[in-house]
Amino acid sequence: EDKVVQSPLSLVVHEGDTVTLNCSYEVTNFRSLLWYKQEKKAPTFLFMLTSSGIEKKSGRLSSILDKKELFSILNITATQTGDSAVYLCAGLNYGQNFVFGPGTRLSVLP
Amino acid sequence: DAMVIQNPRYQVTQFGKPVTLSCSQTLNHNVMYWYQQKSSQAPKLLFHYYDKDFNNEADTPDNFQSRRPNTSFCFLDIRSPGLGDAAMYLCATSPTSGPDTQYFGPGTRLTVL
Repeated sequence: EDKVVQSPLSLVVHEGDTVTLNCSYEVTNFRSLLWYKQEKKAPTFLFMLTSSGIEKKSGRLSSILDKKELFSILNITATQTGDSAVYLCAGLNYGQNFVFGPGTRLSVLP
Repeated sequence: DAMVIQNPRYQVTQFGKPVTLSCSQTLNHNVMYWYQQKSSQAPKLLFHYYDKDFNNEADTPDNFQSRRPNTSFCFLDIRSPGLGDAAMYLCATSPTSGPDTQYFGPGTRLTVL
């Protein structure tokens, strides 16, 4: 059965800290891995990763995929209170099925 | 401009009273998804349409049905809602070509009394 595991499930940091969120996956016919940010509304897309070792960056956020070890990390540097959210990782297979992990709830304190 | 639209945003129904949630998209994406998300949990896929091909997840209860009359619209029918069906229902779309991504609608929050 396909599954996506995220760790930690919950994280509390102070503004300015750097955080690393982990995602491991077992997805049959894996195609790509996606990261989403969810505040009190629907998830919003952050990154899509298809190839190993190529870092994607967007401002203070970056992510990388390791297809050999079947994991991805999402880094957030110089965290801000606006980064507080649940970060979801999802694996996509060639059947267009998305498998979501449980999410990491990040709380950034002022 | 809204790309994935869900109506209503909030739905209150009574135990056992059928309810229909709607989703429309302006993206012309081939694939449409329905997810159920309960508090503090990840979205759980109920089913998806690849064009007109319906794909049901094995553990989706029979109580949940879906219709996709055309590319733009998709409906979620809950035939006899139970208290355990109270949740946020998210519709999403994705293209079959181009970047892999998924666009979510704002969701419909269902309350069952």
